[in-house]
Amino acid sequence: DAKTTQPTSMDCAEGRAANLPCNHSTISGNEYVYWYRQIHSQGPQYIIHGLKNNETNEMASLIITEDRKSSTLILPHATLRDTAVYYCIVLAGGYQKVTFGTGTKLQVIP
Amino acid sequence: DAMVIQNPRYQVTQFGKPVTLSCSQTLNHNVMYWYQQKSSQAPKLLFHYYDKDFNNEADTPDNFQSRRPNTSFCFLDIRSPGLGDAAMYLCATSRDFIGTSGRVNTGELFFGEGSRLTVL
Repeated sequence: DAKTTQPTSMDCAEGRAANLPCNHSTISGNEYVYWYRQIHSQGPQYIIHGLKNNETNEMASLIITEDRKSSTLILPHATLRDTAVYYCIVLAGGYQKVTFGTGTKLQVIP
Repeated sequence: DAMVIQNPRYQVTQFGKPVTLSCSQTLNHNVMYWYQQKSSQAPKLLFHYYDKDFNNEADTPDNFQSRRPNTSFCFLDIRSPGLGDAAMYLCATSRDFIGTSGRVNTGELFFGEGSRLTVL
């Protein structure tokens, strides 16, 4: 699986958009980009995933660059409850195990 | 309603005293995972079951064992807990389906709330 690089931490003002970047320059054609988040003392929670098109759901939007070497998770209106560690993971389309990198610790500030 | 349930939420044990953590799921998912998460670290995969097939990570100590008697239940046994085994243990499930090129895992994991183990 391709490796990912994320900033260690970020701050975002409450009500503003939180843009979390992820670099995955070695991603291959059949690999998807997945995002999870983990709120303190809870299990990780799936957010969204995509292959090459931008994706949106009720939680977030995922923007993948045309060359697929990087992506951005967007929380359009961050709330205090969005304070968490966000993990970007690259997974092949076939069966595989899910391993987590270090992630980005997002702090939403009132 | 909780779909992946872990028990107990908190477990305190003495050094060397065996511990069993349980995980049950109502999702009928065929893949189940056990992760270990220490303070301020990412979850670390210990092993997973693909149906009944057990898959151990190469660096998982022999002290950790697992059982999956049926689709719904999975257990993590720590035979002789050491101080370094104090952590949050997370159970997760996922499903796969038959795609055009074979079995495909969705990559969407459903986690329980975890069992926090303290070793005295």
